[in-house]
Amino acid sequence: DQQVKQNSPSLSVQEGRISILNCDYTNSMFDYFLWYKKYPAEGPTFLISISSIKDKNEDGRFTVFLNKSAKHLSLHIVPSQPGDSAVYFCAASAGSGGSNYKLTFGKGTLLTVNP
Amino acid sequence: NAGVTQTPKFQVLKTGQSMTLQCAQDMNHNSMYWYRQDPGMGLRLIYYSASEGTTDKGEVPNGYNVSRLNKREFSLRLESAAPSQTSVYFCASMTGVEPQHFGDGTRLSIL
Repeated sequence: DQQVKQNSPSLSVQEGRISILNCDYTNSMFDYFLWYKKYPAEGPTFLISISSIKDKNEDGRFTVFLNKSAKHLSLHIVPSQPGDSAVYFCAASAGSGGSNYKLTFGKGTLLTVNP
Repeated sequence: NAGVTQTPKFQVLKTGQSMTLQCAQDMNHNSMYWYRQDPGMGLRLIYYSASEGTTDKGEVPNGYNVSRLNKREFSLRLESAAPSQTSVYFCASMTGVEPQHFGDGTRLSIL
């Protein structure tokens, strides 16, 4: 049973436009959410996170929105740049740290930003 | 500033062979993790070590063993490799409330 779902395997947008990547979760215990970005032949790198006590977190061009009632989060990238082309993974955890801290990942969404 | 280093980067094995994947971090992190990534499957947790001297199973531990050798190093062992273990393996580390930091992966093919 997949607890973190990214239902769009791929997304293509034009440079300068907004990219919106979506993620749904089923486990009510999840209260901390992260987005990771992954380029080919590299490991995932942390992008942005949000705690369940917030509904929005911004970092430059990247904004994550959390809708707890719908168990849904989204990552907005504005404006999109060709260098943003990568696989984006949504991840969730129960708690943001501690001795039994574990992440559950979605399957990822391949974002392609066309010049 | 190496971060998380995984060795080897690539490996081809025959079915039944054994292999140890090495991971070392230089960030003084307490917790370390092993994941596998398969096409269309995202990252799945194999084993993790919350602190030196402890290890626990993740989502897909069958066919693997781990050793937390010291605070820096966390190895993953395949005792008898199977084609189903062909995958990209990622090691990660973290401490406190920081996000996990990942290595660049080991690409393992089992024939």
